[in-house]
Amino acid sequence: EAGVAQSPRYKIIEKRQSVAFWCNPISGHATLYWYQQILGQGPKLLIQFQNNGVVDDSQLPKDRFSAERLKGVDSTLKIQPAKLEDSAVYLCASGLAGRHQETQYFGPGTRLLVL
Amino acid sequence: DQQVKQNSPSLSVQEGRISILNCDYTNSMFDYFLWYKKYPAEGPTFLISISSIKDKNEDGRFTVFLNKSAKHLSLHIVPSQPGDSAVYFCAASDIGQGAQKLVFGQGTRLTINP
Repeated sequence: EAGVAQSPRYKIIEKRQSVAFWCNPISGHATLYWYQQILGQGPKLLIQFQNNGVVDDSQLPKDRFSAERLKGVDSTLKIQPAKLEDSAVYLCASGLAGRHQETQYFGPGTRLLVL
Repeated sequence: DQQVKQNSPSLSVQEGRISILNCDYTNSMFDYFLWYKKYPAEGPTFLISISSIKDKNEDGRFTVFLNKSAKHLSLHIVPSQPGDSAVYFCAASDIGQGAQKLVFGQGTRLTINP
């Protein structure tokens, strides 16, 4: 079974530029999550989708971050404009149904460096 | 407000010995706990979980203990092997959120020495 795919794996941009990350979840998984992991910290949830609807985006900085999940499969996360503090690993995860006691499966992440 | 805390950033253990990783939480509404393992340049992978109705869950060399009164959980690895060297994250979730929303600790880097 193929895992969660993410691209690109690495990205270096200058502050105020825009960047987009792509995620393809495990086939059949209805729930998709985007996390931000800053160096030395644990992953922090940014947004959760159930199929193509948003379940929770309370921790997404909506003035600069946006995400979409068209057709309930792939998802993109965009940052516009980027700030220095956005340097982090962006992890995508998926789950079968998003139920409470369920395992989330993570992709390898995209490492972003903002200069 | 750090609701899930792993106070040891790193731990070094000799191969064959027991590794004990600790995690504390503050939110009494958390009722499901997980441990994830992360190798460099990879995403976290699920290791083991425990529901608040239990105080122990075992899977091979890995055992998780939950002390609800102390709001503390621990992961025991016996015997420790070199391949166990990784960063370990504990995470917690509460049913009141409806859909699963995980809160992660900062992680503990475990190094197993031959």
